[in-house]
Amino acid sequence: NAGVTQTPKFQVLKTGQSMTLQCAQDMNHNSMYWYRQDPGMGLRLIYYSASEGTTDKGEVPNGYNVSRLNKREFSLRLESAAPSQTSVYFCASQTGENEKLFFGSGTQLSVL
Amino acid sequence: QKEVEQNSGPLSVPEGAIASLNCTYSDRGSQSFFWYRQYSGKSPELIMSIYSNGDKEDGRFTAQLNKASQYVSLLIRDSQPSDSATYLCAVSVDSWGKFQFGAGTQVVVTP
Repeated sequence: NAGVTQTPKFQVLKTGQSMTLQCAQDMNHNSMYWYRQDPGMGLRLIYYSASEGTTDKGEVPNGYNVSRLNKREFSLRLESAAPSQTSVYFCASQTGENEKLFFGSGTQLSVL
Repeated sequence: QKEVEQNSGPLSVPEGAIASLNCTYSDRGSQSFFWYRQYSGKSPELIMSIYSNGDKEDGRFTAQLNKASQYVSLLIRDSQPSDSATYLCAVSVDSWGKFQFGAGTQVVVTP
């Protein structure tokens, strides 16, 4: 059982480049999330998807877009990367309302 | 701005002692509370969940919740070097189930 799978694990971009972070879960969860983690700031919610076909903004959505392709997949896109987007990104899925989160292994992104 | 506050640490604990971690939150409507452990370079993993006032024990871990004081804590008994990690407090911020995370408390267990 793979759980939540994120790709890539590491990525280096130049300012202005674009990229998509991929996330897939095989637990049949309805809810999926994208967080970023910066030193001293904990995890901050970028976007979430309560169910297939729906997405909504979290705490720090600027500079990002998301797509809930189907129930399994939830991707995060950086259209024009900026150094401020250097961070570790985690995808997560949730069993149900107010239930625990299952995290992917993370993507370490550096924007030069 | 709804906030979740934790002491950043590091909290240095002798092996075999009790580690006590604290978390305060600002949203009185929060209903779900979680403690995650995160090793350096790894993703968070769930340690404890608690939904009602009082204590909840699971092995060497005890979570304590006091909604009136907006306070949740985690006790780690008989601390081991493998408990050295950052512990994240997560609090639900709406009825649907999104969470806000504290910045985490780093725990260092010394032999």
